[in-house]
Amino acid sequence: KNEVEQSPQNLTAQEGEFITINCSYSVGISALHWLQQHPGGGIVSLFMLSSGKKKHGRLIATINIQEKHSSLHITASHPRDSAVYICAVRDGNQFYFGTGTSLTVIP
Amino acid sequence: DTGVSQDPRHKITKRGQNVTFRCDPISEHNRLYWYRQTLGQGPEFLTYFQNEAQLEKSRLLSDRFSAERPKGSFSTLEIQRTEQGDSAMYLCASSLVTSGNTIYFGEGSWLTVV
Repeated sequence: KNEVEQSPQNLTAQEGEFITINCSYSVGISALHWLQQHPGGGIVSLFMLSSGKKKHGRLIATINIQEKHSSLHITASHPRDSAVYICAVRDGNQFYFGTGTSLTVIP
Repeated sequence: DTGVSQDPRHKITKRGQNVTFRCDPISEHNRLYWYRQTLGQGPEFLTYFQNEAQLEKSRLLSDRFSAERPKGSFSTLEIQRTEQGDSAMYLCASSLVTSGNTIYFGEGSWLTVV
């Protein structure tokens, strides 16, 4: 069992749909990161969370420390949101990564 | 500052050859990480440095792999006697401990061993 599990693995949505990606983890946590990886490999950090909720534009990230669960929401999805979204949990000096959720938004 | 940069971005090499990747972290970042990523998987931890000290190495980092960060700034990852199974993307990331460990990734170095 991986330390960080994401669901779904693949997601196809129509433009404008509300999207949720889930992340569950089994390790201790100092912080949780949501990352976006585009084709070609570049990774961008979207959020770093240690509690509660953060919002940036159309993106919202929440975390429930007690349940060891985080969600990434995308409102009014757009084709340019198509990417792989990776959940990463920092436990002390170590990062544990999920395998990613591949999102395709169709116009 | 242009972020974390990696060089080369792509490398094709014959099996048995040695390859070296370079990572230039964000200035002043004291932590530097190396990860390996294969298709459809999340990044796998290889090793990390705090300043020039290599503090942790994964079991994935076989004897053929060596990483250095001699002056606490840029880092190199060398793979000796490459094997086809080494084909992957090698990602470098850096962070500053006092900033809460927000991590910044490079674009990655793609390695293809033929």
